[in-house]
Amino acid sequence: QVTLKESGPALVTPTQTLTLTCNFSGFSLSGHNNGMRVSWIRQPPGKALEWLARIDWDNDKFYNTSLKTRLTISKDTSKNQVVLTMTNMDPVDTATYYCARSGYCTGATCYPSGMDVWGQGTTVTVSS
Amino acid sequence: DIVMTQSPDSLAVSLGERATINCRSSQSLLLSSNSKNYLAWYQQKPGQPPKLLINWASTRESGVPDRFSGSGSGTDFTLTISSLQADDVAVYYCQQYYNTPYSFGQGTRLEIK
Repeated sequence: QVTLKESGPALVTPTQTLTLTCNFSGFSLSGHNNGMRVSWIRQPPGKALEWLARIDWDNDKFYNTSLKTRLTISKDTSKNQVVLTMTNMDPVDTATYYCARSGYCTGATCYPSGMDVWGQGTTVTVSS
Repeated sequence: DIVMTQSPDSLAVSLGERATINCRSSQSLLLSSNSKNYLAWYQQKPGQPPKLLINWASTRESGVPDRFSGSGSGTDFTLTISSLQADDVAVYYCQQYYNTPYSFGQGTRLEIK
């Protein structure tokens, strides 16, 4: 069974750096032609989903264009964790933050896909 | 970056009637090498994470009722619910995974008339 679970501080003050951890099980983010990818997505209260970043089994990393100077994504395959840091937090960053899995391989070729398993999300409020 | 635009923003449909949600991308999501459209549809209910309904524009995920169907190719896509059930009240999002950065539509709120 594939599961993902987000954790991190519920409250951060403006200008602080946010660190979120996604603990996952039931799949691996390492190995040759694994094809697995983990993304971070956020959703401000009452608003739409916004994709933030993705890390792949081969350690390729991709970022939201407008946020990439503030974001860093990394993985610890020994702990089955993906970590997202976001610097210089602002009240507009108040949101529920989700991690989600995607990707698959067929034969020797790996492809992106829709995000088929999501964590329950962790709510982060930015306020002084 | 690819921009995803959904229409309408909200929709009210009677129980048992058809609901149709549209999604348009700013560039083609069709990869010619494998003839696949890199588009997904999600359903999100209040207080829950999104749920993947449709992959590759038209492939229903396991366990998704067959009243949900996806169609379209290139830049224009549609999610259809053939006979609306009360449990289908939710916000629906399309998402492209053709290129990073990935992007979502703004969402369509579906209600019962």
